[in-house]
Amino acid sequence: EAGVTQFPSHSVIEKGQTVTLRCDPISGHDNLYWYRRVMGKEIKFLLHFVKESKQDESGMPNNRFLAERTGGTYSTLKVQPAELEDSGVYFCASSQDRTGGYGYTFGSGTRLTVV
Amino acid sequence: QKEVEQDPGPLSVPEGAIVSLNCTYSNSAFQYFMWYRQYSRKGPELLMYTYSSGNKEDGRFTAQVDKSSKYISLFIRDSQPSDSATYLCAMTSNTGNQFYFGTGTSLTVIP
Repeated sequence: EAGVTQFPSHSVIEKGQTVTLRCDPISGHDNLYWYRRVMGKEIKFLLHFVKESKQDESGMPNNRFLAERTGGTYSTLKVQPAELEDSGVYFCASSQDRTGGYGYTFGSGTRLTVV
Repeated sequence: QKEVEQDPGPLSVPEGAIVSLNCTYSNSAFQYFMWYRQYSRKGPELLMYTYSSGNKEDGRFTAQVDKSSKYISLFIRDSQPSDSATYLCAMTSNTGNQFYFGTGTSLTVIP
């Protein structure tokens, strides 16, 4: 079974530019999550999709971040305009069953550097 | 106050040593407790999964949860150089839609 795929693996952009991160979950997984790790801090929850619906977006830092999951398959996370503090590693995870979090599979992450 | 506290280390041990990693937490609603292993430039990989209090053993790894003390541990016996990685604790409540992570402990096992 293919894992969770994220791309790009690394992105360097200038402050003020727009960046779009993509996540392809494991086929058949209805639940898709975005997390972020800022340097020196813990991995933090951003949002949770169930199919194409946003179940919980309480972790989204501000309205410069927009997540979509059209058709309930892959998801994109767009940052516009990017700020220096947006630098970090963005992880995507997917699961079939959200109860208790068992079966979460993480992708390798997208390392975003804003200069 | 952070939801989950974890000593970041780094921790360096000789091959064959017993390693003890720990996390404390503040939210009594947490019911599911996980340990993840993360190699450099990779995503977290689930190592151990425990529901509520108690012990769970899987090969050289043992996870312990003490809900009364809000304290979880991971023990690695006969540590190997391949165990060198960052270990993250994570936990969630019954809804399970949001994990709370520790900052991770960097472990190096020296041959």
